[in-house]
Amino acid sequence: GNSVTQMEGPVTLSEEAFLTINCTYTATGYPSLFWYVQYPGEGLQLLLKATKADDKGSNKGFEATYRKETTSFHLEKGSVQVSDSAVYFCALSDPSNYQLIWGAGTKLIIKP
Amino acid sequence: SAVISQKPSRDICQRGTSLTIQCQVDSQVTMMFWYRQQPGQSLTLIATANQGSEATYESGFVIDKFPISRPNLTFSTLTVSNMSPEDSSIYLCSVAPRGGELFFGEGSRLTVL
Repeated sequence: GNSVTQMEGPVTLSEEAFLTINCTYTATGYPSLFWYVQYPGEGLQLLLKATKADDKGSNKGFEATYRKETTSFHLEKGSVQVSDSAVYFCALSDPSNYQLIWGAGTKLIIKP
Repeated sequence: SAVISQKPSRDICQRGTSLTIQCQVDSQVTMMFWYRQQPGQSLTLIATANQGSEATYESGFVIDKFPISRPNLTFSTLTVSNMSPEDSSIYLCSVAPRGGELFFGEGSRLTVL
């Protein structure tokens, strides 16, 4: 069945460091891939998405490329800020029923 | 996009009582989803609520415990019945107006004493 695996957290970085949060998936068909972010005390927000192989999603300095050959959708940012501290969820959509399969989430802590 | 309002945003409840969470969307949507997020955990889908039909529950969730209403295309409620401390979670309403991409409400943080 479909599944999503994220790197375990927490990930602790200093401000302006380079960020990578790994996400790999298994899926049948051609799912869309998403990164959602949950800031402390808030609900989930869509951060970026990619709907087909080689697509690159980007938003707020974050990027992720849909790599079908490695079944990956790693989240990257060149220079993180304290305000990026949050929990990041990788997810894929099952195109047959629009349900999302969620990764476990990765907590990111950015220290000044 | 879709703007989703949930009420209450948080509540503290006594064991054995029930709480109804409301979800209002600013546009008409066919499918609405209710999720649970237990402390420090990822999201678990409780049920899918389509207007005009019974909600479809995921494995491990039953209608008696989590009754859902979907009276129209912009509104839904989830009731958490006969609560116990294990029900302490964030409950999230979400919609997929175009399919695939989900939009979420801010969640209802429930603490059961």
